[in-house]
Amino acid sequence: ILNVEQSPQSLHVQEGDSTNFTCSFPSSNFYALHWYRWETAKSPEALFVMTLNGDEKKKGRISATLNTKEGYSYLYIKGSQPEDSATYLCAHTTSGNTGKLIFGQGTTLQVKP
Amino acid sequence: NAGVMQNPRHLVRRRGQEARLRCSPMKGHSHVYWYRQLPEEGLKFMVYLQKENIIDESGMPKERFSAEFPKEGPSILRIQQVVRGDSAAYFCASSPELGELKFGPGTRLLVL
Repeated sequence: ILNVEQSPQSLHVQEGDSTNFTCSFPSSNFYALHWYRWETAKSPEALFVMTLNGDEKKKGRISATLNTKEGYSYLYIKGSQPEDSATYLCAHTTSGNTGKLIFGQGTTLQVKP
Repeated sequence: NAGVMQNPRHLVRRRGQEARLRCSPMKGHSHVYWYRQLPEEGLKFMVYLQKENIIDESGMPKERFSAEFPKEGPSILRIQQVVRGDSAAYFCASSPELGELKFGPGTRLLVL
């Protein structure tokens, strides 16, 4: 994998459903993996930063895992709510400068009430 | 703390004109990054600046684009002689020496 790839591109779920997305990234020269949440007409907001293989982070109903050896991360949302509707971006960095992010295309989640 | 400020939020230019996009980082943040989102594409890194220095401009087109972050005042992304392909959303982000990136609301540039 040469670029950051996210799947699915979009997702429609019912309120209360649990869901997950995938982010694949180059496993060589890995430094950190970032997840951002981007609501329409707003700025991307940082959710998680993970650096170590096996890292797991959690914030409320949202959690993420990291596998640096095989180059993937999962984002899970438990019991989706309409306010979870947004585009979820994954990005990785290959050096200590964590500001130069290589982003995926994002997964757009729509939660229907 | 007002967060990262960008202005204008929307900018319309005719082909051949100049576009100037401004970014005021969050208070206490000394690192500024510019990203671009072309239609139907993801966010792409353009340039990384610290006060009065360009640290990494590997994502910036070689011609017509320039960026600065002066000692006083906002960071400026300047696009000379704009073309239709420059139409995009331009996002600025800032961070402290070591820390999380905070994004601004973006400037939507439309070139007619």
